[in-house]
Amino acid sequence: AQKVTQAQTEISVVEKEDVTLDCVYETRDTTYYLFWYKQPPSGELVFLIRRNSFDEQNEISGRYSWNFQKSTSSFNFTITASQVVDSAVYFCALRIETSGSRLTFGEGTQLTVNP
Amino acid sequence: DTGVSQDPRHKITKRGQNVTFRCDPISEHNRLYWYRQTLGQGPEFLTYFQNEAQLEKSRLLSDRFSAERPKGSFSTLEIQRTEQGDSAMYLCASSIQGAGELFFGEGSRLTVL
Repeated sequence: AQKVTQAQTEISVVEKEDVTLDCVYETRDTTYYLFWYKQPPSGELVFLIRRNSFDEQNEISGRYSWNFQKSTSSFNFTITASQVVDSAVYFCALRIETSGSRLTFGEGTQLTVNP
Repeated sequence: DTGVSQDPRHKITKRGQNVTFRCDPISEHNRLYWYRQTLGQGPEFLTYFQNEAQLEKSRLLSDRFSAERPKGSFSTLEIQRTEQGDSAMYLCASSIQGAGELFFGEGSRLTVL
């Protein structure tokens, strides 16, 4: 069975601080995909990134960056110079190749960026 | 707006009543998913369709739940004889087969009194 753990339930930072959201996953499959989604107060889950298990290259997109490390089964997400608009719940999710299209989500991290 | 749309956005019902939610996916997406999310939790998979075929159902989907996608376009999720434990946000998502990314709607929030 697969599992995603987001140990940080809530994080509060002041604007312009950098913040890292942790994600640890468990799976026995060798082919899998990892995702991050953002859920603002409006409720809609917004796709941020997908990574497959064979691509450990870190990725940067503007103020967002992702650090994928298979050795520690982690897929952490860093927001640089945080802004108030980054306030949301962030979910890490896992899909294994043999599960059809089912995503297994973590419990989410509530990020609050204060002005 | 060409995103995933869900209707109604909010539904309040009394225990024992039936409710139905509708989801219209992104038009070129052949896969459609239903998830349930309770307060403070991540979304939990309920079921998914590829075109009109329902390919997988979670054990969370009790006999009181039924989902359809009759023409491979929109989908409905019906809950019969609602219980207070059914109170949750019901999320619909769609994707292109193989692409991986799911695009979610804003959800239908159900409150059972």
